[in-house]
Amino acid sequence: GAVVSQHPSWVICKSGTSVKIECRSLDFQATTMFWYRQFPKQSLMLMATSNEGSKATYEQGVEKDKFLINHASLTLSTLTVTSAHPEDSSFYICSAKTDWNQETQYFGPGTRLLVL
Amino acid sequence: SQQGEEDPQALSIQEGENATMNCSYKTSINNLQWYRQNSGRGLVHLILIRSNEREKHSGRLRVTLDTSKKSSSLLITASRAADTASYFCATINERDSNYQLIWGAGTKLIIKP
Repeated sequence: GAVVSQHPSWVICKSGTSVKIECRSLDFQATTMFWYRQFPKQSLMLMATSNEGSKATYEQGVEKDKFLINHASLTLSTLTVTSAHPEDSSFYICSAKTDWNQETQYFGPGTRLLVL
Repeated sequence: SQQGEEDPQALSIQEGENATMNCSYKTSINNLQWYRQNSGRGLVHLILIRSNEREKHSGRLRVTLDTSKKSSSLLITASRAADTASYFCATINERDSNYQLIWGAGTKLIIKP
């Protein structure tokens, strides 16, 4: 149990376009999901915490208008990178907490974004 | 949100040997967790140790926690090539009701066949 999927796994886009990444909890309801960004050979950087039905809480330095997060249901959260630029190229990972275990996060496989 | 440090940054050992990774943190914690990340993939939860525990085992994994030194170690015994991955420690602060994970920098482990 506690499987999280992400789609797409890979995306290449032109500068100026918007990209949507989906994060789904497949076999549980996730009241809270997290979005991370990871640069090569580095640790995870928390971008925002997403609670179902409410606005996401963004970490300091993360642009809300740039990285739009929507957690419309208990099984789906989306991250939209708006007007993407090459510096937005990165590995984006989502995670989710289950109702029965608030302390452990279950991770999606990640989405690699390359902006040309 | 990173506050932890891990050492070594990279570790390369022969298959069959034991691998030890260390993690230090800065604040009082509720628990400490270890996660594994295969290259280009998401993270997988390995083990959680609570602040009132000193040692925990899970299969070939052994985790210790020293809250007086604010440090933890992860030991992988009888390593296998499939253990090649990056390993991250993460803590949850004692007073954080949101259970946000604070991540260490990670140790890249390479097991040579």
